[in-house]
Amino acid sequence: SQQGEEDPQALSIQEGENATMNCSYKTSINNLQWYRQNSGRGLVHLILIRSNEREKHSGRLRVTLDTSKKSSSLLITASRAADTASYFCATDRTGRRALTFGSGTRLQVQP
Amino acid sequence: EAGVVQSPRYKIIEKKQPVAFWCNPISGHNTLYWYRQNLGQGPELLIRYENEEAVDDSQLPKDRFSAERLKGVDSTLKIQPAELGDSAVYLCASSLGTGDNEQFFGPGTRLTVL
Repeated sequence: SQQGEEDPQALSIQEGENATMNCSYKTSINNLQWYRQNSGRGLVHLILIRSNEREKHSGRLRVTLDTSKKSSSLLITASRAADTASYFCATDRTGRRALTFGSGTRLQVQP
Repeated sequence: EAGVVQSPRYKIIEKKQPVAFWCNPISGHNTLYWYRQNLGQGPELLIRYENEEAVDDSQLPKDRFSAERLKGVDSTLKIQPAELGDSAVYLCASSLGTGDNEQFFGPGTRLTVL
């Protein structure tokens, strides 16, 4: 079963705009991770935020985590056509060393 | 450094036939995972290995699915017999097994059961 739910399911923006994706989950976690998947390819790890962290940056990526609301957001700034992909949040649940993925957000960046 | 290697990349079979997928994890990664990803969904864990031991196989349909990880390195996932509903992408991932559990994924095997 899927632990997380991403919102929106699909997002279409113009190059240069910012893209925000949200993720909600159900159980306590050790950390939350975001992955990108290009069409027909495997998943690529983007960024990890631990349960005791509230915000993290990596290049054009900004992730926030609110454990009281069991939610996270991924912001991609100044988007590029190459950012077109599906983005998944995944939780590393307390007591279980396996990731539980959400259903993903499909991002389309128009050039 | 080579990433996670999977083969074949694509497989088309008739229902009731057997099929096997192979995975070679990143060197030094003790933990290996098999996930199944249905179209439009996120991956779902089938089985997790710590070295050669299957430590989490609660989501593996054991009536038709089997897996092994001999010598704690390569792994094989088998389906026998395959059903139409098994059509999906089968992803292998590996991690160090310590720390934050960042996982590295292979390209997957896309299975089509006709």
